[in-house]
Amino acid sequence: AQSVSQHNHHVILSEAASLELGCNYSYGGTVNLFWYVQYPGQHLQLLLKYFSGDPLVKGIKGFEAEFIKSKFSFNLRKPSVQWSDTAEYFCAVAGGGADGLTFGKGTHLIIQP
Amino acid sequence: SQTIHQWPATLVQPVGSPLSLECTVEGTSNPNLYWYRQAAGRGLQLLFYSVGIGQISSEVPQNLSASRPQDRQFILSSKKLLLSDSGFYLCAWREAGATKTQYFGPGTRLLVL
Repeated sequence: AQSVSQHNHHVILSEAASLELGCNYSYGGTVNLFWYVQYPGQHLQLLLKYFSGDPLVKGIKGFEAEFIKSKFSFNLRKPSVQWSDTAEYFCAVAGGGADGLTFGKGTHLIIQP
Repeated sequence: SQTIHQWPATLVQPVGSPLSLECTVEGTSNPNLYWYRQAAGRGLQLLFYSVGIGQISSEVPQNLSASRPQDRQFILSSKKLLLSDSGFYLCAWREAGATKTQYFGPGTRLLVL
């Protein structure tokens, strides 16, 4: 069965700091990876995704993630965070029934102004 | 454009009472539909998925059931709630076919007392 591990449950950064959130997955099939974000009071929304091709994928709001197959990782990065990036971030892999998603436990990111 | 609705937004129910949570999707046809739950301290867990009217598959054994009476309606139910049913319930949809990106509703927060 597939699984997703997010290394940091709570991260606190100052504005303009660089961000990297770790995500490791376990899945034996074709990998489809996602990062979702939930801003306070809002829906869970797609940040970026990887299906195939260039392992460095770019998403909304300046986020990017790199798929490293040999490390089973899909870490999320942003070179300079903003206060508005405060949110819960979830890494996920598709592969359940009807390609249902398996999520990590999430990382609560707080950006201090 | 597609939209997804869930209601109620918040629900407080006594142990042993029934439950009905509703999810509807607009602007698409024959979507795959999913129910997820996030319990305290845990990631989002896939509970049920449906690839068509009347077709329900369960991912984990539990006290809940799901139904899909119409193409764009997905209902989560229980005859008798348990304390352990408390959590945040999310409905999601995706287009049937190659794309695996799922789109999430606003969620229902359920507290069983």
